[in-house]
Parts: sequence; structure tokens; C-alpha cells
Amino acid sequence: AQSVAQPEDQVNVAEGNPLTVKCTYSVSGNPYLFWYVQYPNRGLQFLLKYITGDNLVKGSYGFEAEFNKSQTSFHLKKPSALVSDSALYFCAVSPRSYQKVTFGTGTKLQVIP
Amino acid sequence: DAGVIQSPRHEVTEMGQEVTLRCKPISGHNSLFWYRQTMMRGLELLIYFNNNVPIDDSGMPEDRFSAKMPNASFSTLKIQPSEPRDSAVYFCASSLRGEPPYEQYFGPGTRLTVT
Repeated sequence: AQSVAQPEDQVNVAEGNPLTVKCTYSVSGNPYLFWYVQYPNRGLQFLLKYITGDNLVKGSYGFEAEFNKSQTSFHLKKPSALVSDSALYFCAVSPRSYQKVTFGTGTKLQVIP
Repeated sequence: DAGVIQSPRHEVTEMGQEVTLRCKPISGHNSLFWYRQTMMRGLELLIYFNNNVPIDDSGMPEDRFSAKMPNASFSTLKIQPSEPRDSAVYFCASSLRGEPPYEQYFGPGTRLTVT
């Protein structure tokens, strides 16, 4: 069975500082990996995905994520945080050849002015 | 495109009543997903459809829940009878079906309160 772990319920970072939101996964074979963001009272929005190839994936709003197969991780990063980045972030995994996506429990990112 | 449309946005009902949530996916998308989000359990996949056919309903909590997709542009999630523990935000999402999988587009959600 596939699973995703987001070990931090909340991450606090000062505006302008780099941010990292952690994600590790467990899936048979090579995974597809996703990051979504949820703003208050809204549905989830897609940020980026890893399919294959380059381990560093670039996405929307200046976010990027690094796939590390040996550590089974897919951490979300941004070089310089904005207050408007404050939201709930979800990591998700899907095994190949099966469409069901499993979401993590979410990490609340708080960017402090 | 208007995105995924869900109705109603808020629903307050009494225990034992039937509740029907509605979803219109993005035109051209052929996969549709129903999720439930609560503080305690996070985001749970209830059921998903490919080309209007239910593929995996293992997340449907019990027989009180049922979902249908009579055509490519409409789906319903019904709870009968409703219970207070069903209170949650219910999201519908749609995507193109493909390999590798496409990203999902989420609706704004329906906030259900069962008293």
C-alpha cells in the first residue's frame, strides 16, 4: 500500500528566508509525486509534480521540489518565502499504472513578516 | 473555463436527513474524484470515476454513502441517512486520465454540518 508522511504539522519561517516543507513516501516501484497548496476556505491547487528525469522539479509561484530516491523524499522548497505563501501544503503519491493518489496529512506553513 | 463547480457551498441538516452534494467537472476531463476533509482524518479519497464508471470506492465509509456519475458533466454524492460524524468539507476534483497521471483540479468544496 502507498503512503505519504509529512512529519511537521506546522512550519514557521521569516519572510525572505528559504523554506522547506518535508515529505517522505512509501510506494511499490517508482512513484509519481505531487505537491498541492490549500488556502483558507478553498480547494487544493496543484503546484508541481515529479514524473521522471531531473530530480529537481520547478513549479508554480517559485516553488520547487527535490526527488531523492534513496531517501524516499520529495521536499518542497522555495528560496525566499513570502507572507502570501502562508497556507496548507499537501504532498501526494501515486504508484505507476494506477491512478489513485494518496495525500499526506498536510503541513501548515506560516510565513512571519 | 469556470473550473470545477460544486453545490451547495454550505449545507446544514439534521441527523437522519438525506443530503445530496453535486459536482460539475471541468469540460473534457474524464476522471472525477470525491474527497472528504476533516481535522481528525485529513483528506480522504472516497471514490473515483473514469469515463463515468466507478473505479475505486474503497474509501466510501459505509452504505449510507453513495455516488453516481450519470454523464460526463455531472456527479452526485449522497448520504442517507446523515449523521453528525459526517460533518466535513467534501471536495470534488477532476482531471484528464492518462499515464503518467495528470494533476487534479479541485472545486471549492461543500461544507456539511449535520446537527
